[in-house]
Amino acid sequence: SQELEQSPQSLIVQEGKNLTINCTSSKTLYGLYWYKQKYGEGLIFLMMLQKGGEEKSHEKITAKLDEKKQQSSLHITASQPSHAGIYLCGADRGGSNYKLTFGKGTLLTVNP
Amino acid sequence: DAGVTQSPTHLIKTRGQHVTLRCSPISGHKSVSWYQQVLGQGPQFIFQYYEKEERGRGNFPDRFSARQFPNYSSELNVNALLLGDSALYLCASSSEGGTEAFFGQGTRLTVV
Repeated sequence: SQELEQSPQSLIVQEGKNLTINCTSSKTLYGLYWYKQKYGEGLIFLMMLQKGGEEKSHEKITAKLDEKKQQSSLHITASQPSHAGIYLCGADRGGSNYKLTFGKGTLLTVNP
Repeated sequence: DAGVTQSPTHLIKTRGQHVTLRCSPISGHKSVSWYQQVLGQGPQFIFQYYEKEERGRGNFPDRFSARQFPNYSSELNVNALLLGDSALYLCASSSEGGTEAFFGQGTRLTVV
């Protein structure tokens, strides 16, 4: 099984709707990274969470870390077509951002 | 400031050939990590270099090698290419003590 499980695998929403993507780790998390990727392109850094209960926001995207559950959620409010892409969570297992373990990603489609 | 730059952006090689991919980190970043992303999967860690020394290696065969130069740029080399090496190769750079890892746009390698 995957060390990092993302759900759902894909998501189609209507523009303006809210959505949540989850990332669950089977191992201890030292840090949890969220990235966005356009198909076939590089990863765009969104947020990094380190402490249990930590919550960060950037524009309409909010991410939370539940340390006890070893889980993070990414919430997008009032989605726009520009939010479309693949969302990847990456885990730092050893207190270093040099070697990240990634989930398979969640493909988000936002219909106008 | 320029972000992480990778070259070439696309490459087509024949089975059995050798390939060299290049990465220039963000100015001031001394750490470079390489990842392989196969279609439909999250990136997988290959190598990490810091101050020209290998600090980490993922579960990849010896056909994969890398090095880092005095200016902190890096090369990833793959020998005896297989069809399964077709993937997007991503480079990430980090600063010492930094919590963020920034990725380049990647090199799309196709092995035919």
